[in-house]
Amino acid sequence: ETGVTQTPRHLVMGMTNKKSLKCEQHLGHNAMYWYKQSAKKPLELMFVYNFKEQTENNSVPSRFSPECPNSSHLFLHLHTLQPEDSALYLCASKEAGGSYEQYFGPGTRLTVT
Amino acid sequence: AQTVTQSQPEMSVQEAETVTLSCTYDTSESDYYLFWYKQPPSRQMILVIRQEAYKQQNATENRFSVNFQKAAKSFSLKISDSQLGDAAMYFCAYRRFTSGTYKYIFGTGTRLKVLA
Repeated sequence: ETGVTQTPRHLVMGMTNKKSLKCEQHLGHNAMYWYKQSAKKPLELMFVYNFKEQTENNSVPSRFSPECPNSSHLFLHLHTLQPEDSALYLCASKEAGGSYEQYFGPGTRLTVT
Repeated sequence: AQTVTQSQPEMSVQEAETVTLSCTYDTSESDYYLFWYKQPPSRQMILVIRQEAYKQQNATENRFSVNFQKAAKSFSLKISDSQLGDAAMYFCAYRRFTSGTYKYIFGTGTRLKVLA
């Protein structure tokens, strides 16, 4: 069991829809990450939260809106997406400190039609 | 800016044989971590092995070992006695600490096929 769960696993949405991706970690970590994984491209870091505070926004379009209500939950709110936003969205969590590693969730496969 | 390059989009290896996956990176920092992650078809990204830049000794985890050449900025992964379950995408990653946040930079990945 991964300790990091993501729902839904698959999502198909139209460009005018509003949807949310959810990530939950059961590991007691205090940092959470959103990544975008597109075919033949490196994982792209989107957002980082440390102790519920956003510490990184990697020039992500405003149609992606993250929310971190507590250290265990992370959301990615989606609205007015484009077809090029179709990708695998991965969540990861990490304990503070350099000796600790990221743990990834299984991802949400998003298709924008 | 840091970059990570994996020049082998795909590799194949016979079961029980050894394969080496290449990774190079670019950085001006002296203290950092490097990682290899495995992503099987199930999509779950799993840490395989990590290397701390200040350690000269190459990391080893069972059948997995790295060849870390700091001066050359090279970080290759060797898989010995390859098994069918090793088939996956392998990603090399660099980690830096900036503005109070650990940030990971990934390569494009190498797809490893294991032939029975």
